[in-house]
Amino acid sequence: DQQVKQNSPSLSVQEGRISILNCDYTNSMFDYFLWYKKYPAEGPTFLISISSIKDKNEDGRFTVFLNKSAKHLSLHIVPSQPGDSAVYFCAARGNAGNMLTFGGGTRLMVKP
Amino acid sequence: GAVVSQHPSWVICKSGTSVKIECRSLDFQATTMFWYRQFPKQSLMLMATSNEGSKATYEQGVEKDKFLINHASLTLSTLTVTSAHPEDSSFYICSAGPTGESGYTFGSGTRLTVV
Repeated sequence: DQQVKQNSPSLSVQEGRISILNCDYTNSMFDYFLWYKKYPAEGPTFLISISSIKDKNEDGRFTVFLNKSAKHLSLHIVPSQPGDSAVYFCAARGNAGNMLTFGGGTRLMVKP
Repeated sequence: GAVVSQHPSWVICKSGTSVKIECRSLDFQATTMFWYRQFPKQSLMLMATSNEGSKATYEQGVEKDKFLINHASLTLSTLTVTSAHPEDSSFYICSAGPTGESGYTFGSGTRLTVV
């Protein structure tokens, strides 16, 4: 049973436009959510996070939105750049421990 | 920022042999390290949680006798894949912490190929 889902395996966006990556979760005990960027054969790199007590967190071109009632979060990248092309994972952490549960990932391709 | 070094970055071994992967926190003390495995085009799956000085906690379906984890110090955890088989071929990643805003920093991963 997947507790964290990223339903879009891939997304293609034109450079300069907005990229929106979505993530849904089922476990209401998750209280902290993170987005990671990953290149092939490398470890994930942390991008941005959000606590369950907030509904928005912004860091430069990256903004994460959290809708607790819908158990949904999204990552907005604007403007998108070719260097943003990678696989993006959302992850969730419960208040009982520090382990992360990852979504399946979304491959973002930003076309010049 | 926090740096986690994982070594080797890739390894090829013969079926039946054992392989050791090291995960080191370079500039902080890691009380907890996690080991993940990623198959091609799939997500990262947690294998085990390792706390310094105690036995690792394995996720359901992960054989503890096959994947030996040692976290003997606050800066080093090792994962040994014993009697490796081709189906163990995968990308193994560690994360260490707690540190920083994300809580945990990932290593660069190890690509294991068993032939």
